[in-house]
Amino acid sequence: NAGVTQTPKFRVLKTGQSMTLLCAQDMNHEYMYWYRQDPGMGLRLIHYSVGEGTTAKGEVPDGYNVSRLKKQNFLLGLESAAPSQTSVYFCASSNNQPQHFGDGTRLSIL
Amino acid sequence: GENVEQHPSTLSVQEGDSAVIKCTYSDSASNYFPWYKQELGKRPQLIIDIRSNVGEKKDQRIAVTLNKTAKHFSLHITETQPEDSAVYFCAANPDAGGTSYGKLTFGQGTILTVHP
Repeated sequence: NAGVTQTPKFRVLKTGQSMTLLCAQDMNHEYMYWYRQDPGMGLRLIHYSVGEGTTAKGEVPDGYNVSRLKKQNFLLGLESAAPSQTSVYFCASSNNQPQHFGDGTRLSIL
Repeated sequence: GENVEQHPSTLSVQEGDSAVIKCTYSDSASNYFPWYKQELGKRPQLIIDIRSNVGEKKDQRIAVTLNKTAKHFSLHITETQPEDSAVYFCAANPDAGGTSYGKLTFGQGTILTVHP
């Protein structure tokens, strides 16, 4: 039972490039979330999903898109990366509470 | 929306001392309050949580207290050990069983350092 798995673990992008972060969970959770973590600002919700085929905006959604085509997977996309998107990205899943987190993706935009 | 304030931002204690971290929240509808511990380079992990129908909850050396009237809750760690050194986050959920879909609003985090 792997829990929540995020890929990749690290990535360096140039400004303007695009990429997709993958989150997979094997706990049959309905809800999935994407957060970004920046120093001194805690975890901020980017987008979330309450079930397969659904997505919704969180606190800081601008510059990101998401998709949940399968219940176990939640994808976070950056269409045109900006230096302000340099951060550590965490995915989480739950059946309401508590949330279980993945190991994170450290993303640097140059 | 919900706003969660966490204090202090850094806390340094000697091994064996107690540590207290405090959080306040703004949404009186919040009724679920988890605490997460995050070691350097690792994922946040739930260490204890409390629901609004309970005033205090303990688990070995850690405890959480909740004051709904004042809208604040606190994490208490007794007999601290060096391995307690980490970043601790509080969070609040406005409706643990309803339409909030389990969303959490996090505090800014407290860096706890326990000196041997």
